[in-house]
Amino acid sequence: DTGVSQNPRHKITKRGQNVTFRCDPISEHNRLYWYRQTLGQGPEFLTYFQNEAQLEKSRLLSDRFSAERPKGSFSTLEIQRTEQGDSAMYLCASDALNYGYTFGSGTRLTVV
Amino acid sequence: TQLLEQSPQFLSIQEGENLTVYCNSSSVFSSLQWYRQEPGEGPVLLVTVVTGGEVKKLKRLTFQFGDARKDSSLHITAAQPGDTGLYLCAGGRGSQGNLIFGKGTKLSVKP
Repeated sequence: DTGVSQNPRHKITKRGQNVTFRCDPISEHNRLYWYRQTLGQGPEFLTYFQNEAQLEKSRLLSDRFSAERPKGSFSTLEIQRTEQGDSAMYLCASDALNYGYTFGSGTRLTVV
Repeated sequence: TQLLEQSPQFLSIQEGENLTVYCNSSSVFSSLQWYRQEPGEGPVLLVTVVTGGEVKKLKRLTFQFGDARKDSSLHITAAQPGDTGLYLCAGGRGSQGNLIFGKGTKLSVKP
């Protein structure tokens, strides 16, 4: 297993455009998490899935954000009508026993 | 809202020095994890502690979970330039899956 994979690594988009990120977790891990990290801050929780069920969403996840995990495998995070404040590193992580995450390398989003 | 406060925010030391970083909260956590993050990469798990008073050692790194499970510390002995990075603590809340992260301590070790 190659760990948690995120694509793309970098994304530059114009304000108002939609973007979608993909995360492929470790195959044995049933939990998948999305976090957002801005410069000088720790990761902030967005949402998490156990298998295909989305169990919790942060208040940070506005109506413009949606996440899916069809069939409990890979996950996608979509941001509609991007704003400059959405610029951040979007991190995906997975775990199986709640004793430690394996993070991907993240997707760096820049909204211009 | 549960908050984890890390101190210091920044630490710049010379190779060979010892250091301690702290992670404090007013809330009780079921587990406490430490991660190290390099620029442009995701955090990498260093250790998980789950029992109050627990001490774990990982080569030159010593991690301690407070007796009341509200705080933790990370001590590095004889720091090396390869220890440079952002050290993040994160608290777990048992059956709830997501972790709460502190803002991190940015460590720079100069040769």
